[in-house]
Amino acid sequence: AQSVTQLDSQVPVFEEAPVELRCNYSSSVSVYLFWYVQYPNQGLQLLLKYLSGSTLVKGINGFEAEFNKSQTSFHLRKPSVHISDTAEYFCAVSGSSGNTPLVFGKGTRLSVIA
Amino acid sequence: GAGVSQSPSNKVTEKGKDVELRCDPISGHTALYWYRQSLGQGLEFLIYFQGNSAPDKSGLPSDRFSAERTGGSVSTLTIQRTQQEDSAVYLCASSPSGGGSLAQHFGDGTRLSIL
Repeated sequence: AQSVTQLDSQVPVFEEAPVELRCNYSSSVSVYLFWYVQYPNQGLQLLLKYLSGSTLVKGINGFEAEFNKSQTSFHLRKPSVHISDTAEYFCAVSGSSGNTPLVFGKGTRLSVIA
Repeated sequence: GAGVSQSPSNKVTEKGKDVELRCDPISGHTALYWYRQSLGQGLEFLIYFQGNSAPDKSGLPSDRFSAERTGGSVSTLTIQRTQQEDSAVYLCASSPSGGGSLAQHFGDGTRLSIL
């Protein structure tokens, strides 16, 4: 079984400042890792995913994440945020064999302040 | 359509009534998932379909919940004798066959409110 912990429920940050949203996972098997973003009254949109290979993964909207196996972490970063980045961000993990459901963290609410 | 379509977008019903929620996945996607998003519990997996069969129903919270998928396409999630704790946003996702490396694409959800 897998589990995901998002360490911060809310992160306020000023516009054009850098941001890091933290995610740690637990699993007894190999996993794939994902970050999704949810804007108000919308579904989840995939930001990026880690499957294998390079531990630094680049996604849409200028976001990137780094997989750290020894620390079981997959933190999301952006060097300069915009007002439009205000949303809920979810880290998720799935097993790497077959179609498996996603296990989500509780989410981090990113609020960008002008 | 281009994405996963869910209907209705909002549903308000009285406690004790039955409800049906519909999901129309991306054309050609063989895997389909239902999740529930609520304030207290976050995002929870409910059920997974591969084609028309459901190899994983482990997330269904009670026997009041059931789901089916016909023709390898549209899926319906049914909640019988609704309770107030069923109030949540129900999200559907689909992905192509081939393993967990293929990310799931989500619909905008159905917001269910039980009075």
